[in-house]
Amino acid sequence: KAGVTQTPRYLIKTRGQQVTLSCSPISGHRSVSWYQQTPGQGLQFLFEYFSETQRNKGNFPGRFSGRQFSNSRSEMNVSTLELGDSALYLCASSLGGWGAYNEQFFGPGTRLTVL
Amino acid sequence: GENVEQHPSTLSVQEGDSAVIKCTYSDSASNYFPWYKQELGKRPQLIIDIRSNVGEKKDQRIAVTLNKTAKHFSLHITETQPEDSAVYFCAALSSASKIIFGSGTRLSIRP
Repeated sequence: KAGVTQTPRYLIKTRGQQVTLSCSPISGHRSVSWYQQTPGQGLQFLFEYFSETQRNKGNFPGRFSGRQFSNSRSEMNVSTLELGDSALYLCASSLGGWGAYNEQFFGPGTRLTVL
Repeated sequence: GENVEQHPSTLSVQEGDSAVIKCTYSDSASNYFPWYKQELGKRPQLIIDIRSNVGEKKDQRIAVTLNKTAKHFSLHITETQPEDSAVYFCAALSSASKIIFGSGTRLSIRP
């Protein structure tokens, strides 16, 4: 079974631009969650999608948005990029979301650099 | 708001010794506590998890203990090996179904 994939792996943008990241979950997984990882803030939860619906959301500004398609692939969009958005963006997929019987499998991440 | 504190931030142990990483959580209704290992340049991987109705769980050299009254849980690695060197994250699933991660512990194993 193929693992979680994310594209692109690396991205360089300038302040004010917008960016779209993509995550393809493991086949059969319906839940996709997104995280921002930075050296200073660690791993922070952005949002979770399940069956095309946003089921949960972390404490990030409205510039961060996402969506999920019928094939469970998910995209994350960041508008009006700021320098502080530079981070590794990870997605994780699972059968049913967070919980003891739903192991989360992480993708390799997209390294976003904002100049 | 919901919070998970993790200590220490860095830990260096002699190969063969034990390592202990501790986390405390703020939401008393949290019911699931996974631990992730992230090697340099790689994605986080689940190494062990525990539910709120269990006090301890072991998997070979790794064990996790949970004290619900004190709202803390710990990761124990025995007989450490060089391949245990990594960053370890604890996490807690809050009553609002949000996963909150600790800030991470960088574990180094000295030969």
